[in-house]
Amino acid sequence: AQSVAQPEDQVNVAEGNPLTVKCTYSVSGNPYLFWYVQYPNRGLQFLLKYITGDNLVKGSYGFEAEFNKSQTSFHLKKPSALVSDSALYFCAVRTPGSQGNLIFGKGTKLSVKP
Amino acid sequence: NAGVTQTPKFQVLKTGQSMTLQCAQDMNHEYMSWYRQDPGMGLRLIHYSVGAGITDQGEVPNGYNVSRSTTEDFPLRLLSAAPSQTSVYFCASSRRVEGSPLHFGNGTRLTVT
Repeated sequence: AQSVAQPEDQVNVAEGNPLTVKCTYSVSGNPYLFWYVQYPNRGLQFLLKYITGDNLVKGSYGFEAEFNKSQTSFHLKKPSALVSDSALYFCAVRTPGSQGNLIFGKGTKLSVKP
Repeated sequence: NAGVTQTPKFQVLKTGQSMTLQCAQDMNHEYMSWYRQDPGMGLRLIHYSVGAGITDQGEVPNGYNVSRSTTEDFPLRLLSAAPSQTSVYFCASSRRVEGSPLHFGNGTRLTVT
């Protein structure tokens, strides 16, 4: 069965420090990988995606993610966290030909303290 | 540029009542879908559509119906509400191009008592 795991329910980071939100996946075939962010009482916003090519992808708001095929991971990173980055982050995966349906992880709450 | 619009934002139903959650998009996206979000469970796919007149079931379709008579609209119907359907519901759309990201509405928070 295809699945996405976000092993941490919550990540706490001090402002200015680097942050990492972890994601691993289990799918057949070559996956398309996505990160979304959700602010309170809002829908999910697209941050970045990996389709093919360079393993390091850059996205919105200074976020980036590294695709690692051997470890089946797609961790989200940012060199210097901001208090405004505090939100719920979702990793999602889609396989080619899956009609556009995404499988989501359970989400990781990121808390950035001043 | 409205994107994906969901109505209502909040709804309270009694067990056994029916209702329709509305979803409209103005981006001419072929693909539309409904997800429900529950604490600690991420988002789970209820139903989806790849174009007008075409719908299919997702992971958790029981108790829900959908139709897609136009490209723009994709309503979700609860036939007989149950407390287990208390959730936040999100509609999303995308182009039918490999790798296109989903665009989400702001959600409908439904409580069934």
